[in-house]
Amino acid sequence: KNEVEQSPQNLTAQEGEFITINCSYSVGISALHWLQQHPGGGIVSLFMLSSGKKKHGRLIATINIQEKHSSLHITASHPRDSAVYICAVAGGYQKVTFGTGTKLQVIP
Amino acid sequence: DTAVSQTPKYLVTQMGNDKSIKCEQNLGHDTMYWYKQDSKKFLKIMFSYNNKELIINETVPNRFSPKSPDKAHLNLHINSLELGDSAVYFCASSQGARLAGGQETQYFGPGTRLLVL
Repeated sequence: KNEVEQSPQNLTAQEGEFITINCSYSVGISALHWLQQHPGGGIVSLFMLSSGKKKHGRLIATINIQEKHSSLHITASHPRDSAVYICAVAGGYQKVTFGTGTKLQVIP
Repeated sequence: DTAVSQTPKYLVTQMGNDKSIKCEQNLGHDTMYWYKQDSKKFLKIMFSYNNKELIINETVPNRFSPKSPDKAHLNLHINSLELGDSAVYFCASSQGARLAGGQETQYFGPGTRLLVL
C-alpha cells in the first residue's frame, strides 16, 4: 500500500462543475504539496499546506492533520484545468513521497 | 526568464552508454532536487542537495551520480545505462532545505525524457 493514496484516479467533469480530489496519507508529515502536471509534462506547484486551508483563484486546498487527509477543490472547472493533480507529503527532513496522481479531464 | 532549466529535453541512447543531464536554476535557491517519473507517471525523489551538499540519497543505484558544482547547478550523471532507466527526470529547486511550515514551494524544470534502447 502506498503511503500516499489519491482518489479518484481518473475524473471526467463537465465544464463548470465543482471538483474535489482527495489525498490520504499514512505517515507523519510536516507539509503537504499539491502539484499540477500539464498534458505536456510540465509540473507546477499549486499549494503547500501544513494546516487549515489555502485559496488561489478557483483552487482551494484543505488539510486535516488529525485525519491525515487533504482535499483539492476546483470551482467552476474549465477545460484548461485538465491535467494530472499530484499530492506529495513531506515527512521528516526532506523525505518527499508522492501520490499516484489524479487525471482530470474537463469537457466543454 | 526560465527559472529552472534542464538540458537536454530529450535523450535517446543505447544501453551501456554514459550520459549526463544538466540542471540550472536562476532563482537563488539553496536546495535542488532530482526526481524520476516512471512510465506509470509515478514520481520518486532521487537526490537533493542543499548548498552543494548531498542531503537525500534515496535507494538509487550507484550508476547515478549527482554533481553540484555550485548551488545554482545540479547535474545528474548516469553510467552504464539500462532499459529500466527510461523515464522522465525532473529537476526542482526550493529556497531552503526544509519542507516544513508550508514555506518551501518547489519549482520544477521542464523535465528530460530519457529513452534507453
